[in-house]
Amino acid sequence: EAQVTQNPRYLITVTGKKLTVTCSQNMNHEYMSWYRQDPGLGLRQIYYSMNVEVTDKGDVPEGYKVSRKEKRNFPLILESPSPNQTSLYFCASSFLFSGRAIGEQYFGPGTRLTVT
Amino acid sequence: LAKTTQPISMDSYEGQEVNITCSHNNIATNDYITWYQQFPSQGPRFIIQGYKTKVTNEVASLFIPADRKSSTLSLPRVSLSDTAVYYCLVGAPNSGNTPLVFGKGTRLSVIA
Repeated sequence: EAQVTQNPRYLITVTGKKLTVTCSQNMNHEYMSWYRQDPGLGLRQIYYSMNVEVTDKGDVPEGYKVSRKEKRNFPLILESPSPNQTSLYFCASSFLFSGRAIGEQYFGPGTRLTVT
Repeated sequence: LAKTTQPISMDSYEGQEVNITCSHNNIATNDYITWYQQFPSQGPRFIIQGYKTKVTNEVASLFIPADRKSSTLSLPRVSLSDTAVYYCLVGAPNSGNTPLVFGKGTRLSVIA
């Protein structure tokens, strides 16, 4: 089954304790992205990657890191989480066509993170 | 960045056609327009994508005027299960670092 998986689905942590949220897709997509969703603010892009070893900042990259060592995986790293990073996080992936435009994005089920 | 503006909420009765408009005044030449649907506690789901004029699939139509500064998602004959948040997305990343920008979404409530 074609899918995007995220782990963990729920996480409660404390300020400053490094954490990683994993994301994996089995569709051989070039494009992967992380979003956070907060009430009243909609979806905001954190980082994206157009291929292996290629990552770029989205709209709200501060406080986050990513890596793309393999095509299927795109982990989101919070080196020193703070309470303002409490949010619902979604990973997504897509084919690129013509090397530029984004095709249909497939979203993971989400990770609800609480930082106390 | 191509910012988008959508109505915050809309109500509709079952069986009616619903049109949700998204404004994107500074859309770039390479940008595509994509609409997603999101149910509570789930990731967004792709509905339709277009570049100009009209696109239709089995669930919706997308109307884009010649100046591309807005777009309208049309849902024919909505049902209760269409109650969701609908997001307009404008963007076309390239090597020059162009993030994708979602609107804040339109909460559609379908009433029996």
